[in-house]
Amino acid sequence: GDSVTQMEGPVTLSEEAFLTINCTYTATGYPSLFWYVQYPGEGLQLLLKATKADDKGSNKGFEATYRKETTSFHLEKGSVQVSDSAVYFCALSDQGFQKLVFGTGTRLLVSP
Amino acid sequence: DTGVSQNPRHKITKRGQNVTFRCDPISEHNRLYWYRQTLGQGPEFLTYFQNEAQLEKSRLLSDRFSAERPKGSFSTLEIQRTEQGDSAMYLCASSLADAAQFFGPGTRLTVL
Repeated sequence: GDSVTQMEGPVTLSEEAFLTINCTYTATGYPSLFWYVQYPGEGLQLLLKATKADDKGSNKGFEATYRKETTSFHLEKGSVQVSDSAVYFCALSDQGFQKLVFGTGTRLLVSP
Repeated sequence: DTGVSQNPRHKITKRGQNVTFRCDPISEHNRLYWYRQTLGQGPEFLTYFQNEAQLEKSRLLSDRFSAERPKGSFSTLEIQRTEQGDSAMYLCASSLADAAQFFGPGTRLTVL
């Protein structure tokens, strides 16, 4: 079945450092790909998405590019802030958007 | 507040009791999803509705679990004869067809 693999955390960075969180997937067909973020004490929020190969999703300084040849959707940000500390989930859905398959999440800790 | 809402936010129950959770989706969304999230894991799909029709159920949804969406608006998830293994965060999400899902804050269930 479909699956998503994320790098294990926690990822610990200093403010203004560059961030990469790796995500790879296994799926039949052509899934849509998502990053969701969960801040402490809050629900999951959609961060960005990409629906086809070579699409780049971006939001709040975060970016991820849908790479079909490497089945990857790595999350990047050029300069992290303390407020970016959260758990980040990579997910995929089938073409009908009928359900999401999530990775296990990666905790990001940013220190001043 | 026009987001997805869930009630209660927390539920503590004794093993063997029945519990019911409610989800109110974003008003114009015709799709509604239930997921379960345990500590340190990503959410796992349980079931989804398009309007009032329940179109898919995960193998995770045993016979003790039942979900309804009687008028295509709010939904309820009932767990009968709760077990300690049912302790988790139960998440509801809604979407328009073929669009990204928006999540509620979740109901945290603790079974003693």
